[in-house]
Amino acid sequence: AQSVTQLDSHVSVSEGTPVLLRCNYSSSYSPSLFWYVQHPNKGLQLLLKYTSAATLVKGINGFEAEFKKSETSFHLTKPSAHMSDAAEYFCVVSRPSGNTPLVFGKGTRLSVIA
Amino acid sequence: GAVVSQHPSWVICKSGTSVKIECRSLDFQATTMFWYRQFPKQSLMLMATSNEGSKATYEQGVEKDKFLINHASLTLSTLTVTSAHPEDSSFYICSAPNDRFYGYTFGSGTRLTVV
Repeated sequence: AQSVTQLDSHVSVSEGTPVLLRCNYSSSYSPSLFWYVQHPNKGLQLLLKYTSAATLVKGINGFEAEFKKSETSFHLTKPSAHMSDAAEYFCVVSRPSGNTPLVFGKGTRLSVIA
Repeated sequence: GAVVSQHPSWVICKSGTSVKIECRSLDFQATTMFWYRQFPKQSLMLMATSNEGSKATYEQGVEKDKFLINHASLTLSTLTVTSAHPEDSSFYICSAPNDRFYGYTFGSGTRLTVV
């Protein structure tokens, strides 16, 4: 079985300061891990994905995440928050075969304060 | 890249009526389609998995007679919410895994409001 735990339901940062959204996973297999972003009343956009290649994954809009097997973590970071980053972020796990459903974390709402 | 076109993007219907949601893969063959539901301020929960040419597999607690899924071709999967009730109001989103562009492609979602 697979699961993800997003450790914070809500994170608030000031514009220009670093962002850290935490995610821990549990998987019986070597997982594929993803971060998706959802803006209000919108669909999902893929930020980045880890598929057993480099452990430091760079995504779009300056986001990156590091896969740490020893800590079963896949935290999402960004050096400097922008107002447009305010959204809901989902950490997601799947089996590496690619044909199995994604398992979503509960989400972290990121607020960016001017 | 891979695109899944989902329609309608939003729909309002009366209680007791049925609503059909379509997800169409535009530039790849979607042999599998996952259907998710998202209630307000909650995460996405898998409802069912459809495979082209076979019966859908439903997650525990999802009524298969209420949420009819058809996956008759490699590019089209549909979800029909039958006899909709206000508690069915939610955001429904489909997702197809694709090998050509490794990953999962999501539709843009359908916001269903039952009044």
